[in-house]
Amino acid sequence: EEQLVESGGGLVQPGGSLRLSCVASGFTFSTSWMHWFRQSPGKGLVWVSYINGDGNNTNYADSVKGRFTISRDNAKNTLYLQMNSLRAEDTAVYYCARDGIMRAFDIWGQGTMVTVSS
Amino acid sequence: DIVMTQSPLSLPVTPGEPASISCRSSQSLLHSDGDNCLHWYLQKPGQSPQLLISLGSNRASGVPDRISGSGSGTDFTLRISRVEAEDVGVYYCMQGLETPWTFGQGTKVEIK
Repeated sequence: EEQLVESGGGLVQPGGSLRLSCVASGFTFSTSWMHWFRQSPGKGLVWVSYINGDGNNTNYADSVKGRFTISRDNAKNTLYLQMNSLRAEDTAVYYCARDGIMRAFDIWGQGTMVTVSS
Repeated sequence: DIVMTQSPLSLPVTPGEPASISCRSSQSLLHSDGDNCLHWYLQKPGQSPQLLISLGSNRASGVPDRISGSGSGTDFTLRISRVEAEDVGVYYCMQGLETPWTFGQGTKVEIK
């Protein structure tokens, strides 16, 4: 079964850091483009970041550029999102997803909640 | 950024009746290879999003054929021929043409 499982969410103070992980199984992770999304409470979906299969091409939403870093370890079938300088507005459920074709995201994780609050 | 606009934002439906959702983009989503980079997702209550339709009209694996997508350029439609209870949730269109990849506001479908 093709699956993505996120972890690493939690409560963090403003200005703090957190690293999210997303473990893939059931498909060839190393050739898959991967993305992070987020969804603030009661709000819609927002794309956060993307990384290509070998990790040498990344992109970020303006709202997180310079603060978040996406990376991957293909040997561990794991995608990461390092989040620094966190703000209250970063509070959201964070999802990882596989890019199937032309940004049709065909596998999603269950999400991990990040709460930024003092 | 490409702005995606859905209507309606709320859609009460009667089981067995048809339903449709409109999605418009602020610029054409037609890729140079001829595909429309427009995808539809459904987020059921308490769940992660799931892919319904890719490239404007291609049903994802496991999606029933009573759900269909159509349209080209800037105007797209998702249709459900006969609504069932399992169809409730929030439907999102999303453009996959250029970064930042953007979603519509979402259309909440609920049973009357």
